[in-house]
Amino acid sequence: NAGVTQTPKFQVLKTGQSMTLQCAQDMNHEYMSWYRQDPGMGLRLIHYSVGAGITDQGEVPNGYNVSRSTTEDFPLRLLSAAPSQTSVYFCASSFGLAGGDTQYFGPGTRLTVL
Amino acid sequence: ELKVEQNPLFLSMQEGKNYTIYCNYSTTSDRLYWYRQDPGKSLESLFVLLSNGAVKQEGRLMASLDTKARLSTLHITAAVHDLSATYFCAVDMVGGADGLTFGKGTHLIIQP
Repeated sequence: NAGVTQTPKFQVLKTGQSMTLQCAQDMNHEYMSWYRQDPGMGLRLIHYSVGAGITDQGEVPNGYNVSRSTTEDFPLRLLSAAPSQTSVYFCASSFGLAGGDTQYFGPGTRLTVL
Repeated sequence: ELKVEQNPLFLSMQEGKNYTIYCNYSTTSDRLYWYRQDPGKSLESLFVLLSNGAVKQEGRLMASLDTKARLSTLHITAAVHDLSATYFCAVDMVGGADGLTFGKGTHLIIQP
């Protein structure tokens, strides 16, 4: 199993550009989520999905869109990049949350917005 | 709003010493997670604590959960340099399905 994979690993954008961060998992996990990590802030939840076709907002959803058309994939779209979105983005997956399942994190995407 | 506080946020200690990292949270939960992060790397799951009084140990690390006090501890015994990392605790809300709320992390440096 590859686990949770993310692409790209690094990305530089100009203000106003859009892009999609890819996330895929091969563990047949129903629950997937996106976090951003900023220095001294821990991780903050952006969006999550409890299954294909179902998504919801987390703590910091503004400026981001998600969709979940398959169990395996959960892309994160930046609609119009802003310098405040400079961060490291992590995708995570688990079987669920109700049973306290371990969340597995991808390697991260380091995004810089100029 | 669920808040998770860790302390200390930064800790420098010598090899061979013992120390404890504390994680307090603000609302009812019985699911507490500990993660480790090395510089530039992803998060690695260390422990999942699912009930009051739960205690788990792996090598020199031991984690415990007191849901009545809303407190979890991560105890390091006879620290070694390889344990240098940032440690995060995270909590999810009872009945919730909207992901984890993380503490800000404890940056641990263990010096020879």
